[in-house]
Amino acid sequence: NAGVTQTPKFRVLKTGQSMTLLCAQDMNHEYMYWYRQDPGMGLRLIHYSVGEGTTAKGEVPDGYNVSRLKKQNFLLGLESAAPSQTSVYFCASSRRQFEQYFGPGTRLTVT
Amino acid sequence: DQQVKQNSPSLSVQEGRISILNCDYTNSMFDYFLWYKKYPAEGPTFLISISSIKDKNEDGRFTVFLNKSAKHLSLHIVPSQPGDSAVYFCAVHQFYFGTGTSLTVIP
Repeated sequence: NAGVTQTPKFRVLKTGQSMTLLCAQDMNHEYMYWYRQDPGMGLRLIHYSVGEGTTAKGEVPDGYNVSRLKKQNFLLGLESAAPSQTSVYFCASSRRQFEQYFGPGTRLTVT
Repeated sequence: DQQVKQNSPSLSVQEGRISILNCDYTNSMFDYFLWYKKYPAEGPTFLISISSIKDKNEDGRFTVFLNKSAKHLSLHIVPSQPGDSAVYFCAVHQFYFGTGTSLTVIP
């Protein structure tokens, strides 16, 4: 099992560009999440999904959109990147409300 | 306003001794707490959890204690090993994470 994978691992964007981060899990988990980690801030929840076709806002959703068209995939989109979105992004999945399995992270720099 | 606080950014202990990592939360309605461990350039990995119906949960060298009246939980690692050196996050459900405590175990 690959667990949770994230694509890409690194990306540099210019302000105003758009991109999509892909998260995939092969554990048949219902719940999936996107977090960002900034220095001194811990992990903050951006958006999450409790099942295929559902999404919900987390603590810091502004500037991001998500889609969960397939159970195993959760996409995070940045429509117009800003320097404040420079961060490390982690995807996670879980069975209902139990422990999460995290991907390796995507390091995004917006210049 | 932070819902979960880890007030010690770092902790150093000697190998073989006990490591105690602390976490405070704000909302008495929170009922499920988790600890994760994170190595550099990797995602967090689950370590141990506790439900509010318990005040202690053990898994090998790791024990989590929950004090509901104080809204405080702690993670004890006994004995500490150099491989335990990592950043430890406490979390409430999947929604709120602390800022982490960097543990260094000195051989």
